[in-house]
Amino acid sequence: NAGVMQNPRHLVRRRGQEARLRCSPMKGHSHVYWYRQLPEEGLKFMVYLQKENIIDESGMPKERFSAEFPKEGPSILRIQQVVRGDSAAYFCASSPNSGAASGELFFGEGSRLTVL
Amino acid sequence: QKEVEQDPGPLSVPEGAIVSLNCTYSNSAFQYFMWYRQYSRKGPELLMYTYSSGNKEDGRFTAQVDKSSKYISLFIRDSQPSDSATYLCAMRGVGQGAQKLVFGQGTRLTINP
Repeated sequence: NAGVMQNPRHLVRRRGQEARLRCSPMKGHSHVYWYRQLPEEGLKFMVYLQKENIIDESGMPKERFSAEFPKEGPSILRIQQVVRGDSAAYFCASSPNSGAASGELFFGEGSRLTVL
Repeated sequence: QKEVEQDPGPLSVPEGAIVSLNCTYSNSAFQYFMWYRQYSRKGPELLMYTYSSGNKEDGRFTAQVDKSSKYISLFIRDSQPSDSATYLCAMRGVGQGAQKLVFGQGTRLTINP
């Protein structure tokens, strides 16, 4: 049973380019979360999605960042016109429902974005 | 002030020692408290979960929550080199926005053989 799959694991972009990070949740999970981890910092919530719906995007920067979770296919976190400050590890997590008693989120291994 | 404060360490102890990891928080709405373990270059994995105040034990791990002091702890007994990792506390409330886990900075722990 595959876990949360993220790709690419590593991505290098030059300033001004676009970055697309993909996340396939665990089988049977319909809730996806994106978190960002800056060096030497904890994970910061970005966005919570269900299929075709953004439920909570309160952690998303107002500009350049967007996320989607289409009916078919993986969830995508898109960063336009990247800047050096976007360099971070981006983690995706999934859960089977919104009210999982344990609050357990199953995390992927992350996508590490480096902006040159 | 951060919502969740965690000493980043690093913390280095000999094998077999008892390890104590702690977090403080400021949001009294938090009801669910978790500890995640993150190995280098990997995603976090859930270790312990506690609802409201109290203790919970799982093998060598014990989680404690003191809501009156807004303080949570994770104890590791008989620590092993394989316990070397970064430990992240996390917490959330209930109701709208409850799915938003708030993480501490993480404590980097090394267990020396």
